[in-house]
Amino acid sequence: AQSVTQLGSHVSVSEGALVLLRCNYSSSVPPYLFWYVQYPNQGLQLLLKYTSAATLVKGINGFEAEFKKSETSFHLTKPSAHMSDAAEYFCAVSLGTGNQFYFGTGTSLTVIP
Amino acid sequence: DTAVSQTPKYLVTQMGNDKSIKCEQNLGHDTMYWYKQDSKKFLKIMFSYNNKELIINETVPNRFSPKSPDKAHLNLHINSLELGDSAVYFCASSQAPLLAEQLYEQYFGPGTRLTVT
Repeated sequence: AQSVTQLGSHVSVSEGALVLLRCNYSSSVPPYLFWYVQYPNQGLQLLLKYTSAATLVKGINGFEAEFKKSETSFHLTKPSAHMSDAAEYFCAVSLGTGNQFYFGTGTSLTVIP
Repeated sequence: DTAVSQTPKYLVTQMGNDKSIKCEQNLGHDTMYWYKQDSKKFLKIMFSYNNKELIINETVPNRFSPKSPDKAHLNLHINSLELGDSAVYFCASSQAPLLAEQLYEQYFGPGTRLTVT
């Protein structure tokens, strides 16, 4: 079975500080991993994806994530938080078969001015 | 030029009613999905259609019935609405993988907030 766990349902950072959102996955085979962002009252937007090409993945808006197989992690980072980064962030895993995604429970990011 | 659109954006109705939510994508994708997001933001897939054919049908009450008239549309019909059906419903689409190891990101619509009173 495959799943993702997002540690910390709420994260608060100061503007300009490092953003670190944690995601650990569970999969019996090499997974595909995604980070999506959901702004208030909007749908989900893809931030970045890992599909085994490179372990460090760069996404939109300055976000990046590193796939660490030994730690079964795919944490999302951004060096300097901006007020516009305040949103809900979802980690998702898929095996590829049927393109079925399994989403984590989400992490709400608050940026303090 | 909205990629994935849903109507209506908000839907307020009473228990026992029947309602439909429509979804259209203009991305040329073969696969479409319905997700339910509850009040705690948890996202769960409900259905997936590939080229008008149902390929994923998670444990969902049979009061929920998806209908795909063509590969650009996937509508969700809900009979006998219950309080617990209140949620945000998201439609999504993606290209269809030709091989098991292929994977394509899903593109989401803006959501339909359903409130059952």
